[in-house]
Amino acid sequence: DIQMTQSPSSLSASVGDRVTITCQASQDISNYLNWYQQKPGKAPKLLIYDASNLETGVPSRFSGSGSGTDFTLTISSLQPEDIATYYCQQYDNLPPLTFGGGTKVEIK
Amino acid sequence: EVQLVESGGGLVMPGGSLRLSCAASGFTFSSYAMNWVRQAPGKGLEWVSSISSSSTYIYYADSVKGRFTISRDNAQNSLYLQMNSLRAEDTAVYYCARDASSLAGSTPDYWGQGTLVSVSS
Repeated sequence: DIQMTQSPSSLSASVGDRVTITCQASQDISNYLNWYQQKPGKAPKLLIYDASNLETGVPSRFSGSGSGTDFTLTISSLQPEDIATYYCQQYDNLPPLTFGGGTKVEIK
Repeated sequence: EVQLVESGGGLVMPGGSLRLSCAASGFTFSSYAMNWVRQAPGKGLEWVSSISSSSTYIYYADSVKGRFTISRDNAQNSLYLQMNSLRAEDTAVYYCARDASSLAGSTPDYWGQGTLVSVSS
C-alpha cells in the first residue's frame, strides 16, 4: 500500500503569512494527489485536485505543486478563515485510496 | 446543488450490525462512483469503500473487508453501507462522498455531513 506522510503535523502562523504543507508518497504516484480542508465539526472540502488544479470556488491564495513522490500545498497569505486541518490523498493505486495524517493550521 | 445526506448511524453493541444510507440529489447519481470515508473521534480520514457508477467495480479497505458491503440503487439515487460484525475500532463519523469519476475511487469531490457510528457495550 502507498503511504502518505504529511509534515508538519501542526503549525502556527500569523495572518498574512505564507504557509507551506508538504506531503510525501512512499512511491511514485505521478500527479494523482488531492488536497482537502476540514474545519472543526465539518466535512472535508476538496481544494486541489491532480496535484495543482484549483477546485472551482476555492480562493486563489491556495495552490498545489509537485509530482512523483513530493507535493506541496501553499497558502500565500493566511487568513483567519483558513484555520483548519489539511489532508493530502493519493489515488494512483486503489485499493486503498489513502490519506495523509493531516496538518492542523492555527493562527499565532 | 450537490447534496448528500447520510442516515442510519447510532449506538450498536460489538458484533452487531448497522446499515448506513446516503441520499443523493443535485446531480446524475448514476454517472458517478461513490465512496465511504470514515473518521474516528479526533483522528484523521480513513477510506472505507468505493463503488463505480454501475456497481461493476467495488473496493474495500482491508480493515473492513468481509464485514462491510457497499451497494447502490441508481433508481433511488441512494448509496448504502451494510456493516456487520462491528468492532469498537469501527466507531467513527462515516461520510458519503461523490467521486469525480465514474470509476471507483479517485477524487471524492463532494461530501455529506456524516453520520456517527458508535460501537460500545
